[in-house]
Amino acid sequence: GAGVSQSPSNKVTEKGKDVELRCDPISGHTALYWYRQSLGQGLEFLIYFQGNSAPDKSGLPSDRFSAERTGGSVSTLTIQRTQQEDSAVYLCASSLKGGYTFGSGTRLTVV
Amino acid sequence: GENVEQHPSTLSVQEGDSAVIKCTYSDSASNYFPWYKQELGKGPQLIIDIRSNVGEKKDQRIAVTLNKTAKHFSLHITETQPEDSAVYFCAGKGDGGSTLGRLYFGRGTQLTVWP
Repeated sequence: GAGVSQSPSNKVTEKGKDVELRCDPISGHTALYWYRQSLGQGLEFLIYFQGNSAPDKSGLPSDRFSAERTGGSVSTLTIQRTQQEDSAVYLCASSLKGGYTFGSGTRLTVV
Repeated sequence: GENVEQHPSTLSVQEGDSAVIKCTYSDSASNYFPWYKQELGKGPQLIIDIRSNVGEKKDQRIAVTLNKTAKHFSLHITETQPEDSAVYFCAGKGDGGSTLGRLYFGRGTQLTVWP
């Protein structure tokens, strides 16, 4: 597609459940990034994939968070045993060189 | 890694006035500095960027200046309009100035343009 696609756009889940968030990057973009944005806050880095290199997981807040990128394309961010503090907008971005193209995000609400 | 600081956190201007947002960075090897605009309910969108081999870049009503010696860069919006109201993020590419590596973002500036 022409842009970065994220699904679902909205997700409401019960505390303690697992959730999976999906990102389809721009075709040919070798780098893929996940960020988290809490209400009215800045962009919190989570994880970064670059080609076939080992991902930079330094931003993941706990071991409940994990992500994978299959075939150098689609990425899935998984949050296990969700907590209320996980409620936020999760943004995915991709790039080839230079600036990122962001998706519209997934708004996650944990109730 | 890189550390990017952004000021002010909020900025209110009258329609038609200019707005300036300033950022500083810590990694002298950083060589790429984009600016993003985020409207309510949307993802950030790249509006302008500058590389370290130039000092200024303009695109219609927006411009970015870069001072490598002082390690700061600024976004200038002239003749502001209500539709310029949004959150603006600056960023720097750290990791030793590699073409790879990730962006490090400032904390954002909420710009409000009053009609």
